[in-house]
Amino acid sequence: EAGVAQSPRYKIIEKRQSVAFWCNPISGHATLYWYQQILGQGPKLLIQFQNNGVVDDSQLPKDRFSAERLKGVDSTLKIQPAKLEDSAVYLCASSLDPGSTEAFFGQGTRLTVV
Amino acid sequence: AQSVTQLDSQVPVFEEAPVELRCNYSSSVSVYLFWYVQYPNQGLQLLLKYLSGSTLVESINGFEAEFNKSQTSFHLRKPSVHISDTAEYFCAVQNTGGFKTIFGAGTRLFVKA
Repeated sequence: EAGVAQSPRYKIIEKRQSVAFWCNPISGHATLYWYQQILGQGPKLLIQFQNNGVVDDSQLPKDRFSAERLKGVDSTLKIQPAKLEDSAVYLCASSLDPGSTEAFFGQGTRLTVV
Repeated sequence: AQSVTQLDSQVPVFEEAPVELRCNYSSSVSVYLFWYVQYPNQGLQLLLKYLSGSTLVESINGFEAEFNKSQTSFHLRKPSVHISDTAEYFCAVQNTGGFKTIFGAGTRLFVKA
């Protein structure tokens, strides 16, 4: 079974530039999550999708972050414009449904904003 | 609201020694509890989870964790660690009535030869 795929693995951008991350969840998983993991901290949920609808985006900085889930499968997370404090690993995860007690994580995208 | 506190940011230990990674949580409602592991250059993987029933849960690679409701703890233990256990370990809590999972800051386990 293929796991959660994310790209790119690494990205370095200058502040005020824009960047986009892509995620392909496990086939059949209805729920998709984006987490931000800042160095030395645990993952923090940014947004949760159920199919192509948003379940929770309460911690997404909506002035600069946006996310969509095309046709309830792949998802993209965008930052525009980026700030230094956005440097982090962005993790995508998926689960069968919102009530699942196991999420499967991708390897993450390490973003460095300089 | 829930929160998770992992009391140690780093735990160095010699190979074949026992280890305990501590986790405390706070919640006003019933929760599920999890330990995830992140090996170098890999994504997070579920190690074990407590949902209900027996308070002692085990993983396939020799780790165990015990849910202690009175102490609001879910400490992770292994009687004898291997070099390959070197990784970062995250404790997490999920409201049984909701879907958001809250993670602790992580404990980096470093096993020395």
